[in-house]
Amino acid sequence: DTEVTQTPKHLVMGMTNKKSLKCEQHMGHRAMYWYKQKAKKPPELMFVYSYEKLSINESVPSRFSPECPNSSLLNLHLHALQPEDSALYLCASSQATGGINHEQFFGPGTRLTVL
Amino acid sequence: AQSVSQHNHHVILSEAASLELGCNYSYGGTVNLFWYVQYPGQHLQLLLKYFSGDPLVKGIKGFEAEFIKSKFSFNLRKPSVQWSDTAEYFCAVNARYGNNRLAFGKGNQVVVIP
Repeated sequence: DTEVTQTPKHLVMGMTNKKSLKCEQHMGHRAMYWYKQKAKKPPELMFVYSYEKLSINESVPSRFSPECPNSSLLNLHLHALQPEDSALYLCASSQATGGINHEQFFGPGTRLTVL
Repeated sequence: AQSVSQHNHHVILSEAASLELGCNYSYGGTVNLFWYVQYPGQHLQLLLKYFSGDPLVKGIKGFEAEFIKSKFSFNLRKPSVQWSDTAEYFCAVNARYGNNRLAFGKGNQVVVIP
C-alpha cells in the first residue's frame, strides 16, 4: 500500500467553526507533513512530524493546530480561520526526515473553503 | 536553504510536439531532485526522481530528466506529448543529508492542444 489518504475531500466552514482534517498512511513511514497549496502555486510547507514529534513549524498561525496521535495518523485542527486560509491542504509522508533518499508521498488533499 | 527556479510558467504546445521544462536549483551541498505532476483536479504525483548514479533518469509516462551537476540543473523532457499531459509540473529539491524539507519551484502550467 503506497497510498496516503485524506478526509474529507472537501470542507466548507465558517470563520467561527472548529473542524479537523485527517491524514493516514500505512507504509510504515515515520515522517509526516502538512502543506498548503493555493491555486496554480507550489505547495508551502506548514508542519513536519518526525517519529510523532513536531520537528518543524513554518511560523504557521495558531489557528492551525497539528496533532500526530500515532505513527500512521496526522490531524490538522482548524479554528477561527480566515477566508484567505481557503486552499488545498496536502498531507505527505516519507520514511524519515533525516538521512538520504527519502521521497515524499502526497495524499489527494482536502479542498477547504472558509466563508 | 535550497531554492528552485522554473522558467516559462505557461507552456502551450500541440500534440506530438516535444516538451522541455527547465529547472535550476541553488544549494551548495548534495541534493535529491524530483519532478512532480499535478493533473487538473488531482493530487501531486511523482514523475521521476534522482538520488545518485546515472544522471539521465527515466520516469513514468515517457518522461525523462537529466541532472547536470555543473549547471545545477534537472530539466524534464518528453519527446512527444499527448493531450493527457496537460498539467502543472513542479520541480523540487531537498538536501541529501538534511531534514527532508522540500523546496518547490513555482511550477510550469503545460497545456497540450489536441
